Amino acid sequence: AQKITQTQPGMFVQEKEAVTLDCTYDTSDPSYGLFWYKQPSSGEMIFLIYQGSYDQQNATEGRYSLNFQKARKSANLVISASQLGDSAMYFCAMSPVGVGNTPLVFGKGTRLSVIA
Amino acid sequence: EAGVAQSPRYKIIEKRQSVAFWCNPISGHATLYWYQQILGQGPKLLIQFQNNGVVDDSQLPKDRFSAERLKGVDSTLKIQPAKLEDSAVYLCASSLVGGAQETQYFGPGTRLLVL
Repeated sequence: AQKITQTQPGMFVQEKEAVTLDCTYDTSDPSYGLFWYKQPSSGEMIFLIYQGSYDQQNATEGRYSLNFQKARKSANLVISASQLGDSAMYFCAMSPVGVGNTPLVFGKGTRLSVIA
Repeated sequence: EAGVAQSPRYKIIEKRQSVAFWCNPISGHATLYWYQQILGQGPKLLIQFQNNGVVDDSQLPKDRFSAERLKGVDSTLKIQPAKLEDSAVYLCASSLVGGAQETQYFGPGTRLLVL
């Protein structure tokens, strides 16, 4: 069974500073995908970034980067130059790579608050 | 391109009543998911459809929850009768063909409160 652990219930960061949100995972699948989603107070889940387990390089998308350490089973999200609009819940999720059943397994999330 | 649409956005009912949620996925997306998100937790899969067939409903409480996706497009999720513990946000998501490397796109969710 797959499991995602996010140990930081809440984080504060000063505007324009960088912040790292932690995510560790557990799986016996040889191949898997790792995702980060943002959930503002409006409720919808917004896709941020994806990392495949066999990708050689860490994924980056604008101000978001994923610090992927396969041996440690960690996939931390780094947000650079934080903005007030980054205040939201952030969820780490994973799914197996394969054909057919591919639901996402989510962690409990980290609430990020950006301070002016 | 229009995103995933859900309605209603909010619903308040009393326990033992029934309720239905509707989802319209992104055009052309074959795979549709319903997730339940209880306050303070991450979303949990209830059911996954591939076109109009069920791929996974192992975590759907079938004694009270039902879902269908007629014609492989829109989907409805029903709860009958509702319990207090069903209070949650119900999120619908879709992806192109359901591959694990594909991004799942989520709708705004339906917030259900059972009194």
